[in-house]
Amino acid sequence: AQSVTQLGSHVSVSEGALVLLRCNYSSSVPPYLFWYVQYPNQGLQLLLKYTTGATLVKGINGFEAEFKKSETSFHLTKPSAHMSDAAEYFCAVSIIQGAQKLVFGQGTRLTINP
Amino acid sequence: ETGVTQSPTHLIKTRGQQVTLRCSSQSGHNTVSWYQQALGQGPQFIFQYYREEENGRGNFPPRFSGLQFPNYSSELNVNALELDDSALYLCASSLAARNNSPLHFGNGTRLTVT
Repeated sequence: AQSVTQLGSHVSVSEGALVLLRCNYSSSVPPYLFWYVQYPNQGLQLLLKYTTGATLVKGINGFEAEFKKSETSFHLTKPSAHMSDAAEYFCAVSIIQGAQKLVFGQGTRLTINP
Repeated sequence: ETGVTQSPTHLIKTRGQQVTLRCSSQSGHNTVSWYQQALGQGPQFIFQYYREEENGRGNFPPRFSGLQFPNYSSELNVNALELDDSALYLCASSLAARNNSPLHFGNGTRLTVT
C-alpha cells in the first residue's frame, strides 16, 4: 500500500537559511508525488508535483523538490527562507483505487526565526 | 478563474445532529473530492465524485454521504454526529480522476461537535 512519511513534525530555521523538509514514500508502482502548503485557517495550496520526466521539480515561491527513486524520497528545499514561508507543509502520494486518492503525510510545521 | 469555494466556514453542532457542507468546484473541473483533517493531522480521504457518481471511498462509515450536482458542485452530509467528527473538512476539485491531476483545495469548513 502506498504511504508517505514526513520526518520531523516541526522544523525551525533562521530567515535566509536553507529550508529542507523531508518526505519518504512507499509505493508499489511509479509514484505521483505532491507537496502542498497550508497557511493558518486556510486550505491546501499546491507547491509542486512530480509525475514523470525530470526528477528535479520547481514549484512556486522558490521551492523545489527532487525525486530520488533509489532513496524513495521527495524532499522539499528552498535556498533562502523568508518569514512568509512559515506554514504547515504536506507531502502526498496519489493513487488510483477507483477514485484518485491523495495519501498525505502527517505534515511538517515550518517556523522561521528572524 | 474562480477557485474552490466552501460554505459555511465554521459550524457548531451537537452530538447526534446532522450537517450538510457545500462546495463549488473550480471552473472547468468535473471531479470533486472530500477530505477530513483532524487537528494536527494530514487530510484523510473521504470520497470522490465524478460526473455525479461516487467513484471511490475511504475508510469512513456510511453516515458520511455525498452528492454531486450537474454543475459539479457537491455536498457532504454527515448524520448522527460524533465528537470525533470535529475537524476541518476540505473539498478539492480536479479536471479528471487521474493520478497526475493536481487537486485544488478550498479553505475548508471547520466543524465543531459538542
